[in-house]
Amino acid sequence: SQQGEEDPQALSIQEGENATMNCSYKTSINNLQWYRQNSGRGLVHLILIRSNEREKHSGRLRVTLDTSKKSSSLLITASRAADTASYFCATVLGGSNYKLTFGKGTLLTVNP
Amino acid sequence: DTAVSQTPKYLVTQMGNDKSIKCEQNLGHDTMYWYKQDSKKFLKIMFSYNNKELIINETVPNRFSPKSPDKAHLNLHINSLELGDSAVYFCASSQVAKRGGSGANVLTFGAGSRLTVL
Repeated sequence: SQQGEEDPQALSIQEGENATMNCSYKTSINNLQWYRQNSGRGLVHLILIRSNEREKHSGRLRVTLDTSKKSSSLLITASRAADTASYFCATVLGGSNYKLTFGKGTLLTVNP
Repeated sequence: DTAVSQTPKYLVTQMGNDKSIKCEQNLGHDTMYWYKQDSKKFLKIMFSYNNKELIINETVPNRFSPKSPDKAHLNLHINSLELGDSAVYFCASSQVAKRGGSGANVLTFGAGSRLTVL
């Protein structure tokens, strides 16, 4: 079964604009992670936010977590063409720390 | 120096054949995984091994058989390949977090092996 659902499925913006992607999940979590996948490559871990955190920053990335709404958002500020990729949220399902499940991803296209 | 390496990167084969994909990690991680990504980019966990012990075995046809000769290697053998097996298979590894603890399980992925069954 699927835990995370990203929204929107696809997003196209101009370089320099901000991009916001959302993730909703179903069960309570200890933490939520975001990964990036460039075309034809493996996933790369971007940032992790724990359930007792509301916001976290890493460079141009800002992640928020609202456990009451079971949702998270990833904001990329001042986007660049190199940010073009698919972005996935991931959570642990069923209490097993080993079983990281991913949503279907948001395809972000940043136009130069 | 690639952290998680998979071979081959591309694999084209006929239905009914048997094929293997190999994975090696040099990160010293305890746990390794196989994920399957379909044409719609949905990523689904298939198997996980922790220190050579199978800990996750999702509802996968028994034509798929993982093998972990040591904690740095996890191979995937697929018998009697079918059209629906066409996908990108990703190997990943992590340093397993303690059960029940607040530790997180962050995965490092390989570049993927694209399997095309004709």
